[in-house]
Order: sequence, then C-alpha cells, then structure tokens
Amino acid sequence: SQTIHQWPATLVQPVGSPLSLECTVEGTSNPNLYWYRQAAGRGLQLLFYSVGIGQISSEVPQNLSASRPQDRQFILSSKKLLLSDSGFYLCAWSVGHNYGYTFGSGTRLTVV
Amino acid sequence: QQQVKQSPQSLIVQKGGISIINCAYENTAFDYFPWYQQFPGKGPALLIAIRPDVSEKKEGRFTISFNKSAKQFSLHIMDSQPGDSATYFCAASRRGSTASKLTFGTGTRLQVTL
Repeated sequence: SQTIHQWPATLVQPVGSPLSLECTVEGTSNPNLYWYRQAAGRGLQLLFYSVGIGQISSEVPQNLSASRPQDRQFILSSKKLLLSDSGFYLCAWSVGHNYGYTFGSGTRLTVV
Repeated sequence: QQQVKQSPQSLIVQKGGISIINCAYENTAFDYFPWYQQFPGKGPALLIAIRPDVSEKKEGRFTISFNKSAKQFSLHIMDSQPGDSATYFCAASRRGSTASKLTFGTGTRLQVTL
C-alpha cells in the first residue's frame, strides 16, 4: 500500500534561519508531488509541484524553494526564514488524473 | 483567478441534521470533482469524488450532487454527527492538466452540535 511520510510534525525556527522539510512516498513509482501551505483557518495554497526527478514548478513567488533528488522524495527549503513563512505545510502525491491527492500529516512551522 | 467557489465559509448543524456545502466552478474542462475532509492539525483526506457522467454519488452518509449545466456540485452529509466536525474542501481538475493539479475551494468549517 502507498504511504506518505512528512517530518517533522512541528518546528519552531527563528527568523533568518534555514529550513528543510522532507516528504517521502512509499509504494508507488513516479508520483506527482506537491507542497502546499495552509495559513491558520485558511485554504490550501499550492507552492510547488513536481512531475519527476529534478523537475520543479513554482506556483507563487516566495522565499522558499523545492527539490526532488529522488523519485519519491520531495524537499522544501529556505535559506532565511521570514515571519510570513509560518504556516501548516502539507506534502501530497498523486499518480494521475481522477485519482485525487493523498496528503501527508503536515508540518506546523512557526517562525519567531 | 479563483476557479472553484465554495460556500458557506462556516456552517453549524445540529446532530442528526443535514449539512450541505456548495461549490461552483468556471472551467468547463474540469472533469473530476473530489471532496476532502480535514481535522485540526491533520492533512486533508479524500472523502468522496465524482465524475461528470453521473449526477449523484453516495457513500454512506455522504452524497455528492452534481449539476453539469449549472457548473455546480455539492456535498450532503446526512444524519450529521459531532465526529463530522471538520473543514471540508471541494476541488476540481481536468484531464491533461499538468501534474493533474487540483484547484481547491476555500474550505467550509463544519461544526455539528449536540
């Protein structure tokens, strides 16, 4: 069965510090991968998506970057965090149209 | 430009009542419409989905009604229970879209009271 792992679950980081959030998928090959951010009480904002190793598309200009070094690994990074980067970060995967997304359990990031 | 409009933003329903959440879309190329349920502190989970070749899909207490001509679809939760209290998102995607991207609604926070 397919599973998605996302860590850490919570993170408190000072402004200006770097960030690395990791997401891995098991039980499937060549998935589409996504990073979403959800502000408190708000909707889902697509940040990045990837259709293959090394292929990253950005949906919104921001202080973050993403990488896909392996087929089932997706990393969200920042060199210097801003207060506005606080939020709930979700990784998701899909295998194609009409199958929807499977989301990870999320990382609650608080930048202080 | 928001392509999926969801309403209401919040909803309070008594236990045993019917919860109804509505979504409207603009892109007639959309052909897959899932609903997600999200509990606080958790990632959204796929609840039920429909394709436009049917007007209704039912899974237990959850039903999607789909009106292709009006470009609207809705989620009905029958016999609502306190455990259904969560945020619900509708979404849509189209065949051939890059990475099968879903366009999400803004979410509805449902509270089921005793």
